[in-house]
Amino acid sequence: SQTIHQWPATLVQPVGSPLSLECTVEGTSNPNLYWYRQAAGRGLQLLFYSVGIGQISSEVPQNLSASRPQDRQFILSSKKLLLSDSGFYLCAWTSRNTIYFGEGSWLTVV
Amino acid sequence: AQSVAQPEDQVNVAEGNPLTVKCTYSVSGNPYLFWYVQYPNRGLQFLLKYITGDNLVKGSYGFEAEFNKSQTSFHLKKPSALVSDSALYFCAVTTTGGGNKLTFGTGTQLKVEL
Repeated sequence: SQTIHQWPATLVQPVGSPLSLECTVEGTSNPNLYWYRQAAGRGLQLLFYSVGIGQISSEVPQNLSASRPQDRQFILSSKKLLLSDSGFYLCAWTSRNTIYFGEGSWLTVV
Repeated sequence: AQSVAQPEDQVNVAEGNPLTVKCTYSVSGNPYLFWYVQYPNRGLQFLLKYITGDNLVKGSYGFEAEFNKSQTSFHLKKPSALVSDSALYFCAVTTTGGGNKLTFGTGTQLKVEL
């Protein structure tokens, strides 16, 4: 079966520190992968999506970047975190025209 | 551009009563419509989708949704609500040419009370 793993689940980082959130998908090959951010427990914003290794599309200008070093691995990064980067980050992947989400990572920037 | 509207921030229902969570959409082309549920501090769980075919779509946990093209709506329904259905519900849309990039509504908090 296909599964998605996302870690860490919770992260508290100081302003100006780097960030790395990782996501891996199992049981499929060449999936479309996505990073979403959920602010204030409601609205979901698409940050990045990838259709293959090394292929990243950014949806909004921001302090974050994404990479896809392997087919089933998607990484969200920042060199220097801002307070406004706090939020709930969700990795997702596509199977049969449906997007499935990971359990999310809570990031608090202090 | 595509968009989704969920006009109700919160819906309150008594357990055992039917529930409806409303969703309308705007999209160029044929819509792919989805409902997701989110429990506190969790990721989104897929409930059901409409791609093509029957306008009434059945999904997980007894939920169903009806696609109405003329009203551009995709309301989520359940005949008999449970307290455990209390959660945040999101409607989302994409199109055939949308690259599976979903646009989400702002969510509706469903509260089912005894």
